[in-house]
Amino acid sequence: GAVVSQHPSRVICKSGTSVKIECRSLDFQATTMFWYRQFPKQSLMLMATSNEGSKATYEQGVEKDKFLINHASLTLSTLTVTSAHPEDSSFYICSARAVTSGDRNTQYFGPGTRLTVL
Amino acid sequence: AQKITQTQPGMFVQEKEAVTLDCTYDTSDPSYGLFWYKQPSSGEMIFLIYQGSYDQQNATEGRYSLNFQKARKSANLVISASQLGDSAMYFCAMREGRAAGNKLTFGGGTRVLVKP
Repeated sequence: GAVVSQHPSRVICKSGTSVKIECRSLDFQATTMFWYRQFPKQSLMLMATSNEGSKATYEQGVEKDKFLINHASLTLSTLTVTSAHPEDSSFYICSARAVTSGDRNTQYFGPGTRLTVL
Repeated sequence: AQKITQTQPGMFVQEKEAVTLDCTYDTSDPSYGLFWYKQPSSGEMIFLIYQGSYDQQNATEGRYSLNFQKARKSANLVISASQLGDSAMYFCAMREGRAAGNKLTFGGGTRVLVKP
């Protein structure tokens, strides 16, 4: 199947700093990428849909000025958590949709990034 | 209302036995897709099986099969011959509409522990 990578896999930062998480599709082009957040023992919650070359679409309750998304190319989307606080500590997972695919499973997930804000 | 409901927060299963994980969904869109993912402790989301709303037959992928009951809006996952490596969280998810780019909505998950 298609491969999606995330970097870093784990990050610890001080409160008030900004953290950038990268999501890359390694062997296919992705017009659409999705960013999810997962708190401990909970399900995945969609934060935003990122489309290449256009602004991201944020889910209700997600602050777009705090969670900046940039989908600059067909293989890379970045999520920047600005002025991070301890309550932003979570597991962030991206998924990518292939440009052309007859495959029913057209969303491929990255391995996730665990963010800890001290 | 919850779009995807998984009523079993956790369950034990004996190795080599079968286990059924429940999933019910709610949508008014006639076209939708249902997915099951496995999430081991490492956190990665592993795709297991897919069922389209117009598919006539239940989906099967190796030891995984999906018991799709459209009228009841249920899409239960059956894992046959459980293995210790099957211990993980399992999530049911739904995509509404035809476009593959439509977002996925996940259920709350079921934690499965396989006993030797």
